[in-house]
Amino acid sequence: GENVEQHPSTLSVQEGDSAVIKCTYSDSASNYFPWYKQELGKGPQLIIDIRSNVGEKKDQRIAVTLNKTAKHFSLHITETQPEDSAVYFCAATTGGSYIPTFGRGTSLIVHP
Amino acid sequence: SAVISQKPSRDICQRGTSLTIQCQVDSQVTMMFWYRQQPGQSLTLIATANQGSEATYESGFVIDKFPISRPNLTFSTLTVSNMSPEDSSIYLCSGGEGDGQPQHFGDGTRLSIL
Repeated sequence: GENVEQHPSTLSVQEGDSAVIKCTYSDSASNYFPWYKQELGKGPQLIIDIRSNVGEKKDQRIAVTLNKTAKHFSLHITETQPEDSAVYFCAATTGGSYIPTFGRGTSLIVHP
Repeated sequence: SAVISQKPSRDICQRGTSLTIQCQVDSQVTMMFWYRQQPGQSLTLIATANQGSEATYESGFVIDKFPISRPNLTFSTLTVSNMSPEDSSIYLCSGGEGDGQPQHFGDGTRLSIL
């Protein structure tokens, strides 16, 4: 089955800096890659996603890149703000499946 | 995107009792799922709730312990039966349209067993 590795497990940055979270996947048939943000006491919230026919996608301060050859994808957050502090999960879904495989999560801390 | 509501948001239960968690979606969704999340950990899929038929359970989860109902395309329940302290966790419901589509999550039920 699919295996998703996520790094780092913890990331601490200063407000205004950029943050990058990286994930690798094992199944070359995976074709859908969502990213979720989970704030304390809340459920995971979809923040951005990318499909395998696209190399990069942006939404304001958030971007995701996908390298299918290397089987890795990354979340980039620019101009970080304290409200970006949360746990971020990447996931990969194999074509024909409806069940994503989640990474283990990254705790992002943005210091004011 | 679908909005998912879960009830209760938290509960403290006695060992040996059962609790039913409700999940309501504000629009019809093809797929509904139940996850467990230990504090500080990732999400573990318990089962896929199938409308009008028995749920599909993942390895390590059984129907007798986690019976699931899905009477229609907007509602599902998960029962945690004969609870023990090891069942203390966050239980999350999600819904989505399946292949290549995002899942949307509720805020979870925080369950503590004494």
